[in-house]
Amino acid sequence: GAGVSQSPSNKVTEKGKDVELRCDPISGHTALYWYRQSLGQGLEFLIYFQGNSAPDKSGLPSDRFSAERTGGSVSTLTIQRTQQEDSAVYLCASSQNRGQDGELFFGEGSRLTVL
Amino acid sequence: AQSVTQLGSHVSVSEGALVLLRCNYSSSVPPYLFWYVQYPNQGLQLLLKYTTGATLVKGINGFEAEFKKSETSFHLTKPSAHMSDAAEYFCAVSGGSARQLTFGSGTQLTVLP
Repeated sequence: GAGVSQSPSNKVTEKGKDVELRCDPISGHTALYWYRQSLGQGLEFLIYFQGNSAPDKSGLPSDRFSAERTGGSVSTLTIQRTQQEDSAVYLCASSQNRGQDGELFFGEGSRLTVL
Repeated sequence: AQSVTQLGSHVSVSEGALVLLRCNYSSSVPPYLFWYVQYPNQGLQLLLKYTTGATLVKGINGFEAEFKKSETSFHLTKPSAHMSDAAEYFCAVSGGSARQLTFGSGTQLTVLP
């Protein structure tokens, strides 16, 4: 597609339920990133993919969070047993190269609300 | 390790006035520095970046920033604010082989008529 696409754009769930957030990067972009944006906070790095592998998953806040990428394209971020503190906007970004020059292309985000 | 500090979570300027958004960074290696802008309900988009070379970099929409190594700063400026500049601005740093950007907490810019 023309840009990074994320779905759902909004998700309301109950505490304890699992959620999946999807990211469809720009075609041909090998690097893919997940960030979390909480109210009044900056962007918190979660995980980085190069192709289908994740050389840096240091930002995942707990073992309830996991992510995968298949076919070097679509990525899914899964949050198990959601907690209220998981409420945030989850942003996906992709980059044509390893991203060292910093030109990331962001999606519009998935807003997660945990009741 | 690297970090970014943006001074002022909210900045208000009058239309036509100078915009100055402050960013200081910390990096153990020569940094790459960036400013991103986020309009309401949109993703972030790159305004400008410094990698190497000229320390004064120009970006989109009339914004520019100057890399000052001695001050570890990368402040964003625009000579004359427009109403359309109202948005949240994020400074970010990456260093060396780091594949991730470290973002500041953002500055919300309000432009007053």
